[in-house]
Amino acid sequence: TQLLEQSPQFLSIQEGENLTVYCNSSSVFSSLQWYRQEPGEGPVLLVTVVTGGEVKKLKRLTFQFGDARKDSSLHITAAQPGDTGLYLCAGGTNSGYALNFGKGTSLLVTP
Amino acid sequence: SQTIHQWPATLVQPVGSPLSLECTVEGTSNPNLYWYRQAAGRGLQLLFYSVGIGQISSEVPQNLSASRPQDRQFILSSKKLLLSDSGFYLCAWQGASYRRDTFGSGTRLTVV
Repeated sequence: TQLLEQSPQFLSIQEGENLTVYCNSSSVFSSLQWYRQEPGEGPVLLVTVVTGGEVKKLKRLTFQFGDARKDSSLHITAAQPGDTGLYLCAGGTNSGYALNFGKGTSLLVTP
Repeated sequence: SQTIHQWPATLVQPVGSPLSLECTVEGTSNPNLYWYRQAAGRGLQLLFYSVGIGQISSEVPQNLSASRPQDRQFILSSKKLLLSDSGFYLCAWQGASYRRDTFGSGTRLTVV
């Protein structure tokens, strides 16, 4: 099982601040997904990246896949209270069916 | 469009009682189906996955079992629940052409 380490585990910031969360592994993944989960609900997919060095933007969120496809980052610009939630990264390989999930970064954005 | 249904949303069961959680998918055929458990709002632990009817792979040996009686139906069961089975259970499906999981809304199970 490939391990995905997410950092930081917890992050509390004020509205308007920028932040970056990281997802690192010693293994290579064919694809990497980022999800956001709110309490009591299932995770919702934000983005899938598949190419080393790929950068995707979703409004104020910027996702990057490392050149070696072992790591990824999520940058949020001008965070808002609605960004609060658990951010999970998950990696997929060509040899298995299931995704490997990190433990998540719990983000709290206060007004 | 594809949708996934999972029920019940919450469940409180006594120790030693049986369990049956159901998940159904609409709008797709032959999906890969998954059961995950999540503890305390943290990472997801894969319990079972299925690539077809009657095909079940177990990732973690435990007090639970899974079945796939129909193409778009996935069931998580237990004959006798333990306190340690408490948690947030999530069903997910994955289309054949996409490496991503789409999740149901989850079941909060509390074993008392």
